[in-house]
Amino acid sequence: EPEVTQTPSHQVTQMGQEVILRCVPISNHLYFYWYRQILGQKVEFLVSFYNNEISEKSEIFDDQFSVERPDGSNFTLKIRSTKLEDSAMYFCASSDPQGRLGTEAFFGQGTRLTVV
Amino acid sequence: DAKTTQPPSMDCAEGRAANLPCNHSTISGNEYVYWYRQIHSQGPQYIIHGLKNNETNEMASLIITEDRKSSTLILPHATLRDTAVYYCIVRSYNAGNNRKLIWGLGTSLAVNP
Repeated sequence: EPEVTQTPSHQVTQMGQEVILRCVPISNHLYFYWYRQILGQKVEFLVSFYNNEISEKSEIFDDQFSVERPDGSNFTLKIRSTKLEDSAMYFCASSDPQGRLGTEAFFGQGTRLTVV
Repeated sequence: DAKTTQPPSMDCAEGRAANLPCNHSTISGNEYVYWYRQIHSQGPQYIIHGLKNNETNEMASLIITEDRKSSTLILPHATLRDTAVYYCIVRSYNAGNNRKLIWGLGTSLAVNP
């Protein structure tokens, strides 16, 4: 069964450093997302991406964040200058298979980002 | 904020049916009810969704009341592996570019041996 894959599973970085979280969405999906979950808190929407551009973003997704689909398979989230409060699990998701109905999102297993 | 209300926790005996309720009294006509679960901080897993008819798949059944103000997710024969946090989310099905999911705190289901 197709799945969303994320790398790395765990990333430790120093405050102020740039990090790139990587995702390979399900191959024929058209929408891509990033969510995050701070330990013990709700899952929060960050951004959705469609047709090579951001379709929606939350207040969390400020100028320190960016997303990119550099090729036909990868979808990345970059945090330019990490802060302690960026420590969280980051989940990538994808939805909407091309050519058929289905807007349910499928999630990867997440990247645990720890900023020290 | 999430448009749904769920009990914070529930228990279920292994092998019995788990019935997880959700209130969504402000649901609008073009909004579907989606259910996801999250096992111990893993990525959320899609379970099922529906509009107004009851739905069943290999994982669960979804019962939506006639007025659509509440629903129940049924796991017919719960196993220990079904221990997870279950989220009920309402969202427009064909929402144009607005496909984000707004998450609440969900119901923490403990399946006991």
